[in-house]
Amino acid sequence: KNQVEQSPQSLIILEGKNCTLQCNYTVSPFSNLRWYKQDTGRGPVSLTIMTFSENTKSNGRYTATLDADTKQSSLHITASQLSDSASYICVVSARGSNYQLIWGAGTKLIIKP
Amino acid sequence: ETGVTQTPRHLVMGMTNKKSLKCEQHLGHNAMYWYKQSAKKPLELMFVYSLEERVENNSVPSRFSPECPNSSHLFLHLHTLQPEDSALYLCASTPTRASTFYEQYFGPGTRLTVT
Repeated sequence: KNQVEQSPQSLIILEGKNCTLQCNYTVSPFSNLRWYKQDTGRGPVSLTIMTFSENTKSNGRYTATLDADTKQSSLHITASQLSDSASYICVVSARGSNYQLIWGAGTKLIIKP
Repeated sequence: ETGVTQTPRHLVMGMTNKKSLKCEQHLGHNAMYWYKQSAKKPLELMFVYSLEERVENNSVPSRFSPECPNSSHLFLHLHTLQPEDSALYLCASTPTRASTFYEQYFGPGTRLTVT
């Protein structure tokens, strides 16, 4: 069964600190993996999209990594800011899956001053 | 703003009411989607429209009825809902045909509460 699992479920860190969020998936055959940021009461916004051949991709202070062999991805946030408080969702698509994306339940990140 | 708008942003309705959610995208996209997001659960795909034709219906109860009059507008008509239907309903769009290859652009969602 295609699944995406994220850890931790929630995380609280102090402003200025770094953190890493994890995503494990069992989706096969793999097409691409995305990380979305969702602010409370808003729709998700894409941070990165990674294909099979990409190991690392950065978007400002956000860096995503992908290990297609172990089926793991991580999202590293550097020098966190209060505006980084949000849910971060890992999403995987399978080749030939047409419209279906396999969504994780998300990690809720809280940045404290 | 992402270029996808949704109205209303909040809706409270009784189980016997009929209401509609509206989504409009200003991005020139050709595919639109409805998702349901319940607390602490992954997004659930409900309906997909590509060039105004419904191409996916994920076994959604008939009390949810979608309508796509053109490629810019998408509606979700609601009637005789249940309390477990309370959730955030998200609309999204993609540039060309419905596909998992393209980035999805989401609206802000409608927070629905069924009493």
